[in-house]
Amino acid sequence: RKEVEQDPGPFNVPEGATVAFNCTYSNSASQSFFWYRQDCRKEPKLLMSVYSSGNEDGRFTAQLNRASQYISLLIRDSKLSDSATYLCVALGSNSGYALNFGKGTSLLVTP
Amino acid sequence: DAGVTQSPTHLIKTRGQHVTLRCSPISGHKSVSWYQQVLGQGPQFIFQYYEKEERGRGNFPDRFSARQFPNYSSELNVNALLLGDSALYLCASSPVLTGGFAYEQYFGPGTRLTVT
Repeated sequence: RKEVEQDPGPFNVPEGATVAFNCTYSNSASQSFFWYRQDCRKEPKLLMSVYSSGNEDGRFTAQLNRASQYISLLIRDSKLSDSATYLCVALGSNSGYALNFGKGTSLLVTP
Repeated sequence: DAGVTQSPTHLIKTRGQHVTLRCSPISGHKSVSWYQQVLGQGPQFIFQYYEKEERGRGNFPDRFSARQFPNYSSELNVNALLLGDSALYLCASSPVLTGGFAYEQYFGPGTRLTVT
């Protein structure tokens, strides 16, 4: 079983829609969580860290539920430029401080 | 500020050859990690170095090795290349590695390796 599992996607949504991505992690010792965004044939770019209390950055809201080992990302008022693959990431507690990535969920925002 | 830099950007090698990939972290960052990303998958952890010492290793064969230099730059070496080693190799840097709480990792543009 992979350490981080994400919605399979792809998600096709119209501009202005709200879209939610979900993710679960298996290692209860994981201490830090992130969402990265990756454009086609580019490197992953940090979108936001995820805190236990939940955090918001403009149109993006991330939530962490440690009891359920569940992470979410909500994007409001989707823009065409939000089209990308979104990677859910848990920081491992073994093998050093390696990032454990999910497979990614593809989002396509259409006009 | 300059981000993480990697060289070369693209590389084509033949099975059985050896390859060296290079990475320079963001100025002030002391930790470097290497990841392999094959098409359609998320990046997979290979190595992590901090203060020139290996701090973690993923599930990769001994053909993969790495090191970190006094200026915190790093090299990833892969021997006896296989077709399955074709992938995007990503380097990430982070400023501090401290017990239990790690800072975010920032990725370079990657080296795209094709093995024929």
